[in-house]
Amino acid sequence: GQNIDQPTEMTATEGAIVQINCTYQTSGFNGLFWYQQHAGEAPTFLSYNVLDGLEEKGRFSSFLSRSKGYSYLLLKELQMKDSASYLCAVTGAGSYQLTFGKGTKLSVIP
Amino acid sequence: GAVVSQHPSWVICKSGTSVKIECRSLDFQATTMFWYRQFPKQSLMLMATSNEGSKATYEQGVEKDKFLINHASLTLSTLTVTSAHPEDSSFYICSASQIVTGELFFGEGSRLTVL
Repeated sequence: GQNIDQPTEMTATEGAIVQINCTYQTSGFNGLFWYQQHAGEAPTFLSYNVLDGLEEKGRFSSFLSRSKGYSYLLLKELQMKDSASYLCAVTGAGSYQLTFGKGTKLSVIP
Repeated sequence: GAVVSQHPSWVICKSGTSVKIECRSLDFQATTMFWYRQFPKQSLMLMATSNEGSKATYEQGVEKDKFLINHASLTLSTLTVTSAHPEDSSFYICSASQIVTGELFFGEGSRLTVL
């Protein structure tokens, strides 16, 4: 089975940097995804990590450590529109079936 | 980029009726599509994996006779909620994986309200 943990809620200030952590325990591992979901909308793809290390994409970066079962999503220069839920999800070995964490609700305040 | 289209976006129906939701991959072929359900303030829960040309694989606790899935072609999967009841009211989302990149694309979601 798969177990994914991430904080339920976080609050950060506009213009600041925030790090959302995700830990996972899986019977097999293929890759880890981060998605952004605004209320009432479908998730939007942010990043996909397969190998250890940091992947940077503009204001968003994602880090993966397979040996530690750990990932984080780093958001820089926070904007009000970044207020959303951020979902960590993993795929098992040889599968594209995603298992989602419960999501972290990020509130960006002025 | 690859796009997945889901229809309808929202539907209101009477208790006891059946509702069909379509999920189409618009510019790529998807041998596998996934159906998720999301209740308010909760995360996405995988309901079933839809395989083109074969029976869907349902997650534990999901009634296959109530949630009928048909994946008739490489670009279309349908979810039919049969004899819907108010507790079936939820946000249903499909996704399809682009085999080459492994990236998963989501449909826009369908909000079902059963009166």
